[in-house]
Amino acid sequence: SQQGEEDPQALSIQEGENATMNCSYKTSINNLQWYRQNSGRGLVHLILIRSNEREKHSGRLRVTLDTSKKSSSLLITASRAADTASYFCATDEGSNYQLIWGAGTKLIIKP
Amino acid sequence: DAGITQSPRHKVTETGTPVTLRCHQTENHRYMYWYRQDPGHGLRLIHYSYGVKDTDKGEVSDGYSVSRSKTEDFLLTLESATSSQTSVYFCAIRGGRANYLWTFGSGTRLTVV
Repeated sequence: SQQGEEDPQALSIQEGENATMNCSYKTSINNLQWYRQNSGRGLVHLILIRSNEREKHSGRLRVTLDTSKKSSSLLITASRAADTASYFCATDEGSNYQLIWGAGTKLIIKP
Repeated sequence: DAGITQSPRHKVTETGTPVTLRCHQTENHRYMYWYRQDPGHGLRLIHYSYGVKDTDKGEVSDGYSVSRSKTEDFLLTLESATSSQTSVYFCAIRGGRANYLWTFGSGTRLTVV
């Protein structure tokens, strides 16, 4: 069953603007991960945030996690055309040893 | 991706034929996974393995079987391919400290005609 749900499903912004994507999930987790997928390509791991962390940064990426609301957000600052991709959140519940995925947010950066 | 390869990258097959996809890793990780990705869905787990000869079903396992006779290889077989199995298939390995590190293969695009 699908655990994470991303919001919005699609997002189109101008280059240089910030992009924010949200993910909600249903059960307790060990960690939550964000991935990027360029069209027709594989999945690239962006960032992992553990359940006892509230915020994490990696370059232009900022991820927050609110376990009380079972939600996470991914912020991409100063967007670039190369950021055009689909972004997925995936949760690691610790049981069944699997990641459970949302349907993704399709991000388009307009030059 | 480094440490994990999938083959073939693309395949077209006819309905009713068996198909085997291969995932090979060089990381010596214990956990290996097969997911499928379809439009409008995130990845959905087909089968996974937690060791040689140790496998279990995921949420969409019907019509699929797997085998893991050695650590580095995890095979996914479509016993009798159907059009509903047209999809992109991803293999993943899991390891690293506390098993938090996931690495995905580049995917196999399978078309069943």
